[in-house]
Amino acid sequence: AQSVTQLDSQVPVFEEAPVELRCNYSSSVSVYLFWYVQYPNQGLQLLLKYLSGSTLVKGINGFEAEFNKSQTSFHLRKPSVHISDTAEYFCAVSDAGGSYIPTFGRGTSLIVHP
Amino acid sequence: KAGVTQTPRYLIKTRGQQVTLSCSPISGHRSVSWYQQTPGQGLQFLFEYFSETQRNKGNFPGRFSGRQFSNSRSEMNVSTLELGDSALYLCASSLGNPGQGTDTQYFGPGTRLTVL
Repeated sequence: AQSVTQLDSQVPVFEEAPVELRCNYSSSVSVYLFWYVQYPNQGLQLLLKYLSGSTLVKGINGFEAEFNKSQTSFHLRKPSVHISDTAEYFCAVSDAGGSYIPTFGRGTSLIVHP
Repeated sequence: KAGVTQTPRYLIKTRGQQVTLSCSPISGHRSVSWYQQTPGQGLQFLFEYFSETQRNKGNFPGRFSGRQFSNSRSEMNVSTLELGDSALYLCASSLGNPGQGTDTQYFGPGTRLTVL
């Protein structure tokens, strides 16, 4: 069984500041890792995903994440945030070798202040 | 290309009733997954359909069921509604290729179900 822990439920930050949203996972098998964003009253949108290969993954809207196998982490970063980045962010993990059923973290609310 | 559409967007039901939610995937997508999102439990996988067959199932009681039609549109049904079924129900579609875990899922806006 897999699990995902998003260490911060809420992250306040000022506009144009850098941000890191933390995600740790637990799994006994190889995994795929995902970050999604959810804006109010909308569904989830994929920001980026790690399947294999380079541990640094670049996504949409200037976000990137780094897969660290030894620390079982997949933290999301952006060097300079905008007001429009205010949203809920979800980290998810799925089994790379077997049944594809994603497990989601509880989400991190990113609040960007002007 | 049109995105994933879900109908209705909002629904109010009373305990004991049943409800059917509908999802139309992106054209060409053959896999449809359903998720329940609540403040208490977060996002939980319900089931996935591919080519009219249930391919994966989450840990939900039998009151939750679904189906997929030949045009890939999907419905999910919840019978004997309970207060705890109040949630945002999200549908996601993907191509559904082998090696399915690598597919990108595209989510609809969800159906907000309130059970009174």
